[in-house]
Amino acid sequence: NAGVTQTPKFQVLKTGQSMTLQCAQDMNHEYMSWYRQDPGMGLRLIHYSVGAGITDQGEVPNGYNVSRSTTEDFPLRLLSAAPSQTSVYFCASSFKRLAGAYEQYFGPGTRLTVT
Amino acid sequence: QQPVQSPQAVILREGEDAVINCSSSKALYSVHWYRQKHGEAPVFLMILLKGGEQKGHEKISASFNEKKQQSSLYLTASQLSYSGTYFCGTEEEYGNKLVFGAGTILRVKS
Repeated sequence: NAGVTQTPKFQVLKTGQSMTLQCAQDMNHEYMSWYRQDPGMGLRLIHYSVGAGITDQGEVPNGYNVSRSTTEDFPLRLLSAAPSQTSVYFCASSFKRLAGAYEQYFGPGTRLTVT
Repeated sequence: QQPVQSPQAVILREGEDAVINCSSSKALYSVHWYRQKHGEAPVFLMILLKGGEQKGHEKISASFNEKKQQSSLYLTASQLSYSGTYFCGTEEEYGNKLVFGAGTILRVKS
């Protein structure tokens, strides 16, 4: 049971380049989400998904796209990288709330630098 | 909308107690607490649900005031291993997303 995996661990991009951050989980979790972490600002929600084929925007969605074609995978796409997107990105997953709330399992993070 | 955490940072000596607060302007369904060590991913501590149910860590306690939409995390007899950044996350009454606060940096000194 690998839990939540993220690739790559580190990435350097030039302004204007595009890339996809990968996230996968093997716990059959319905709910998956992406956060970015910047000093002093905590974890800010970018996009989330409550199941395959369903995605929605979080607090800071601009400049990012997501899709959820399978339960296991939830990739995050940067369309045209900007220096303001330099951050640490965390993917998380959990069971979906029906009559309770469930702990989030976080991946190890991707450290992205845009020059 | 991000919940508001206080204090921003706190320094303790081993054995001392600390309280970290989290408040929201929204009607909440649940409050989550996580701890993050430097360079690592956040790790789950506790969930408090509207109605009083709690799930989580045996050695850490927390409260959830539903009328005020406030939660507090109580760290008693602190140990060096308690050092890290503590985040509260909130889910609204009729929402699907978990939104986190800016975090509270806790440092325990020997």
